[in-house]
Amino acid sequence: NAGVTQTPKFQVLKTGQSMTLQCAQDMNHEYMSWYRQDPGMGLRLIHYSVGAGITDQGEVPNGYNVSRSTTEDFPLRLLSAAPSQTSVYFCASSNIPNSPLHFGNGTRLTVT
Amino acid sequence: AQTVTQSQPEMSVQEAETVTLSCTYDTSESDYYLFWYKQPPSRQMILVIRQEAYKQQNATENRFSVNFQKAAKSFSLKISDSQLGDAAMYFCAYRSLLTGTASKLTFGTGTRLQVTL
Repeated sequence: NAGVTQTPKFQVLKTGQSMTLQCAQDMNHEYMSWYRQDPGMGLRLIHYSVGAGITDQGEVPNGYNVSRSTTEDFPLRLLSAAPSQTSVYFCASSNIPNSPLHFGNGTRLTVT
Repeated sequence: AQTVTQSQPEMSVQEAETVTLSCTYDTSESDYYLFWYKQPPSRQMILVIRQEAYKQQNATENRFSVNFQKAAKSFSLKISDSQLGDAAMYFCAYRSLLTGTASKLTFGTGTRLQVTL
């Protein structure tokens, strides 16, 4: 059982480039979310989804887009990367409120 | 909006000893979940323990237990018989029970735990 799979594990971008961080889960979870982790700031919610076709903004959504066309996939798009987006990104999923979040292994993104 | 505060950026404990990590939170909701996650150097996020706010009994998982004080909005983690493998960053997290919030956690800033021989 793969759980939550994030790709790539590492990425280096130049300022202004675009890219998509991939996230897929095979547990048929309705709820998915993206977090970024910065030193001294814990994890902060970027965007989340409560099911296919439904997304909403979290605490730090600026500079990121998401879509949820299927239950399994929840990609995170950076349209024009900025150095402030250098971070570790985590995707997570859950099925019901009293079950814990399942996290992917993270993507370390560096924007130069 | 909820906030979660971890006031201890770093803690150290000797192997086999007991350590307590602090967490306080702020919310106007009466029902919610609280979690402790462990993040070792591998970067993986590992659930340590969870507590439902409506349960008065403190949760325990082997060497890990919590002291949940709902009125004080406090949720500390006690690690007994500390092991070298417990060295990691520990995050306290809050989850609302409101509709549509199942994937929304509010995290504290973390406590880095060192375990010494």
